Amino acid sequence: EVQLVDSGGGLVQPGGSLRLSCAASGFTFSSYWMSWVRQAPGKGLEWVANIKQDGSETYYVDSVKGRFTISRDNGKNSLYLQMTSLRAEDTAVYYCARGGNNFRFWGQGTPVTVSS
Amino acid sequence: DIQMTQSPSSLSASVGDRVTITCQASQDISNKLNWYQQKPGKAPKFLIYDASNLETGVPSRFSGSGSGTDFTFTISSLQPEDFATYYCQQFDNLPRTFGQGTRVDIK
Repeated sequence: EVQLVDSGGGLVQPGGSLRLSCAASGFTFSSYWMSWVRQAPGKGLEWVANIKQDGSETYYVDSVKGRFTISRDNGKNSLYLQMTSLRAEDTAVYYCARGGNNFRFWGQGTPVTVSS
Repeated sequence: DIQMTQSPSSLSASVGDRVTITCQASQDISNKLNWYQQKPGKAPKFLIYDASNLETGVPSRFSGSGSGTDFTFTISSLQPEDFATYYCQQFDNLPRTFGQGTRVDIK
């Protein structure tokens, strides 16, 4: 059974940093693109970033470029999102998802609140 | 960026009703479109890929059609468990973009 478990969210002050993690199991992690998708409170879904199987390619939505870094450790079956210079508008539930085109499986989400 | 516009934004329907949601892309995306269902407090669920292909395990009352810029998502006979928000998503270009969602609630 495919499982994705998101963690690392919390309350952080504007300008602060946070590192999200996603632990994958039940499939060959190193064979799939992986993505982060977020959802601000009461709003729709927004794709944030994705990463190729070997980590050699990464892509970001413009609003997080230069502030967020997606990475992976295939030996640990884990996906990460390092978030810096956080802003109030980054407040959202962050989901990891398997795939770069089709998001077939999702984590349960981890909430991030940016507030002073 | 490719803009995805869903309509309506919300609708009220009864169990057994036929429900149709449309999704329009701001440029031609061929059939590179997916549909998701999301219930409150839960992660989205993948329903349809490549505009018209039903994901394994998804009930056949769900269907999708379209290509180019205009797409349709249909629930042939609405069931109690189908009350949720539905999103389209394009994967023709980066950034991947979603429609704003269509909330389906009980009339």
